[in-house]
Amino acid sequence: SQQGEEDPQALSIQEGENATMNCSYKTSINNLQWYRQNSGRGLVHLILIRSNEREKHSGRLRVTLDTSKKSSSLLITASRAADTASYFCATRLSGSARQLTFGSGTQLTVLP
Amino acid sequence: NAGVTQTPKFQVLKTGQSMTLQCAQDMNHEYMSWYRQDPGMGLRLIHYSVGAGITDQGEVPNGYNVSRSTTEDFPLRLLSAAPSQTSVYFCATYHRDGRSSYNSPLHFGNGTRLTVT
Repeated sequence: SQQGEEDPQALSIQEGENATMNCSYKTSINNLQWYRQNSGRGLVHLILIRSNEREKHSGRLRVTLDTSKKSSSLLITASRAADTASYFCATRLSGSARQLTFGSGTQLTVLP
Repeated sequence: NAGVTQTPKFQVLKTGQSMTLQCAQDMNHEYMSWYRQDPGMGLRLIHYSVGAGITDQGEVPNGYNVSRSTTEDFPLRLLSAAPSQTSVYFCATYHRDGRSSYNSPLHFGNGTRLTVT
């Protein structure tokens, strides 16, 4: 069974709007990471948040983590057409540095 | 630096054929891994390696073999391809640095799209 599940599965917004994607997971984690995948390409790391952190920012990205609810959210502000991609959360379980478990992703479409 | 290079980009096999997917990296990363990506399933770990000569199984290892004779290369072998192995395969690496490896991001290749008929 998958550790991480993204919600929604698909999201369509207008350029300039904010996009919010959510990730829920099942067991204790060491950290949670967000990746982006453009069509036909490999995944690219966006941001990492440790289990003892609650919020992190990187440019137009804001990630929150609520370990009590076992959930995270990724906010992309002032979206651009170039942000169109699939976004995946990935969790590194506590005590396991080796394996990163991915969710099934959110397909974001930003309309110009 | 080329990063992580996967070859071929596309491959079509008949059921029962064998082939090797190649993965090469020039970042001197100790950890290398293979994932498969299927619609609605996210990425699932097939095999991984923490260094030359060391490999281990991931979530879905059946039907696949790996070896790690050098730091740079981590080939994935399909011994007898099956239609269920139709997927997009990604190689991913990261740098291990003691405890901080917990926080190391994965670096991905651009994938091999495999179709088994």
